[in-house]
Amino acid sequence: GEDVEQSLFLSVREGDSSVINCTYTDSSSTYLYWYKQEPGAGLQLLTYIFSNMDMKQDQRLTVLLNKKDKHLSLRIADTQTGDSAIYFCAESILTGGGNKLTFGTGTQLKVEL
Amino acid sequence: EPEVTQTPSHQVTQMGQEVILRCVPISNHLYFYWYRQILGQKVEFLVSFYNNEISEKSEIFDDQFSVERPDGSNFTLKIRSTKLEDSAMYFCASSDAGGDQPQHFGDGTRLSIL
Repeated sequence: GEDVEQSLFLSVREGDSSVINCTYTDSSSTYLYWYKQEPGAGLQLLTYIFSNMDMKQDQRLTVLLNKKDKHLSLRIADTQTGDSAIYFCAESILTGGGNKLTFGTGTQLKVEL
Repeated sequence: EPEVTQTPSHQVTQMGQEVILRCVPISNHLYFYWYRQILGQKVEFLVSFYNNEISEKSEIFDDQFSVERPDGSNFTLKIRSTKLEDSAMYFCASSDAGGDQPQHFGDGTRLSIL
C-alpha cells in the first residue's frame, strides 16, 4: 500500500534556506505534491511535480525528485516568518475517478528571527 | 482565484445524530473528494466522486457515510449516526477535467462530536 513519511519538525533562521524531505513507497505515483497548512486553515497547494521530472523551480520553491530512491524534497529559499506552517507531502495515484492523494504526517516549519 | 468553499467552519453535534457537511467545489471541476484529518494524525482519503457516482472509497468510508451532489454546485458528505471517533477536520477538494490534476482544498469543517 501507499505510505508517505516526513520528519515532524524543522527550525530555521529567517533568511536561511529550508529543506523539507519526504519519502514515499508507491512507484506508480503520477504526481507528487506539496501543500502548506497554516494554523486553522485549509491545505494550500504550493507546488507539484510530475513523476518523470527531476526538478521543478517556482520562485523561492525548488522541488527535487529522486524516483529511484522515492525521495522528494522541498527547498524554500530565503525563508521568511510567513513561511512558518505545516508542510505536507502527498503522492497521487491515478484511479478511475480522478486521483487519490496519500499524505505524509506533515513537517512543522518554524522560522526564527 | 477560484476556491473551494466549505460550510460550516465548525459543527458541534451530539453522538448518534446525523450531520451534513457542505462544499462548493470550483465551478469547472468535475472530480470531487472528501478527506479527513483527526487531530494530530495524517490527512486521510475518504472518497472520490465523478460523473455522479462514487469512483473510489477508503475503508473508513463505511455505511454510515454517504456523498451527494444534489445540484450543479454543492457536494455534501453525510454521516448518518455520528460516533465520538468521527471528530476530525473534514476537507473537501476538487480537481478539473483532466482527472490527474492538482486537487484544490477548502478550509475544512471542524466536526466535534459530544
